[in-house]
Amino acid sequence: QVQLQESGPGLVKPSQTLSLTCTVSGGSITSGGSFWSWIRQRPGKGLEWIGYISYRGSTFYNPSLKSRVTISADASTQDFSLNLSSVTAADTAVYYCARGGGINWFDYWGQGTLVTVSS
Amino acid sequence: DVPMTQSPSTLSASVGDRVTITCRASQSIGAWLAWYQQKPGKAPNLLIYAASTLQSGVPSRFSGSGYGTEFTLTISGLQPDDFATYYCHQYNTYATFGQGTKVEV
Repeated sequence: QVQLQESGPGLVKPSQTLSLTCTVSGGSITSGGSFWSWIRQRPGKGLEWIGYISYRGSTFYNPSLKSRVTISADASTQDFSLNLSSVTAADTAVYYCARGGGINWFDYWGQGTLVTVSS
Repeated sequence: DVPMTQSPSTLSASVGDRVTITCRASQSIGAWLAWYQQKPGKAPNLLIYAASTLQSGVPSRFSGSGYGTEFTLTISGLQPDDFATYYCHQYNTYATFGQGTKVEV
């Protein structure tokens, strides 16, 4: 059973960089054909895909966020990370990591972590 | 970008009802569509992928259909555990979600 767990600060100041890590267990982020995504959900709103990193390390980002997003991975620790720069209050959301992306559905999700952008 | 339009946004139903939720894509996405159920404070849970394939462990009262631009999620015999918000997700062109349908009493 694949499990994902997000970690990182729950509070980020405006204009700073939001950094989160997703640790994967029960599976490998380098498993052939796998994609690993970040998805967010603003309070009371719907779901927004942020981007993915593939098992080969290639990345693809939502065009609306592309200029501020970096996703990276560390196979040695089986985790992948999200950096979102120049945050504003509009980036306040629950951030989820999930397995899936590309031409794949999201079949495993982390529990989500709330990140609030506030001074 | 492929916007997804879900309807209705809210649906009032009773236990035992047959419930249908519709999702329309702005362009053809083939069968590259999934459905999720989300309960308050929880992550979404995959119900259906490839438009009509039931995810392992999901009750058979859930079914999906459609191809191209119009898709439906049907719950045949609503159970108390099914009151939740449902999202469609297209993965033909990166990923976009519908705005959600809240199924309430």
